[in-house]
Amino acid sequence: AQKVTQAQTEISVVEKEDVTLDCVYETRDTTYYLFWYKQPPSGELVFLIRRNSFDEQNEISGRYSWNFQKSTSSFNFTITASQVVDSAVYFCALSENTGFQKLVFGTGTRLLVSP
Amino acid sequence: DTEVTQTPKHLVMGMTNKKSLKCEQHMGHRAMYWYKQKAKKPPELMFVYSYEKLSINESVPSRFSPECPNSSLLNLHLHALQPEDSALYLCASSLVDTGSSYEQYFGPGTRLTVT
Repeated sequence: AQKVTQAQTEISVVEKEDVTLDCVYETRDTTYYLFWYKQPPSGELVFLIRRNSFDEQNEISGRYSWNFQKSTSSFNFTITASQVVDSAVYFCALSENTGFQKLVFGTGTRLLVSP
Repeated sequence: DTEVTQTPKHLVMGMTNKKSLKCEQHMGHRAMYWYKQKAKKPPELMFVYSYEKLSINESVPSRFSPECPNSSLLNLHLHALQPEDSALYLCASSLVDTGSSYEQYFGPGTRLTVT
């Protein structure tokens, strides 16, 4: 069975601090996909990144970076120099290699960035 | 254009009412999804349509009835709901490819209150 664990329920930081959100997954599939979504207070889930199981390269997009390590089944997300607008709930999700997704979401990490 | 629209934004209905939620996308996506999200929980998959055909029904009660009139539209018909059905209902869409799993794009959601 597939499972995603986000052990950090809530994280509070002060603006300009760096913060890492942890994601650990379980799957028996050799081909799978990992995602991060952001859900601000408005409610809409915003897609951030998609990574397949064969691509272990780390990725950087502006202040965001992702560290994918198959050896530890982790797909961690780091925000550098956090800003108040980063305050949101962040979900990590896992999908099998199917034509349409059946996403397995983690329980989410609420990030509070104060000025 | 990566926009998914949902109407209405808010809906209050009695337990004997019949109402419908609507979702629209113009990204050419052939998979569309309905999710239910309770407060402080991750989204829960309800239904998946692939090429306008119902592909997944996650054992959702029959008081929820999905409909996909064409490749751009997705409806969720509601009848005889219970107060515990109050939640944020999210629509999403994605590409479909048997050899991959693509990111979903979410709408802003309909916040439903059943009285």
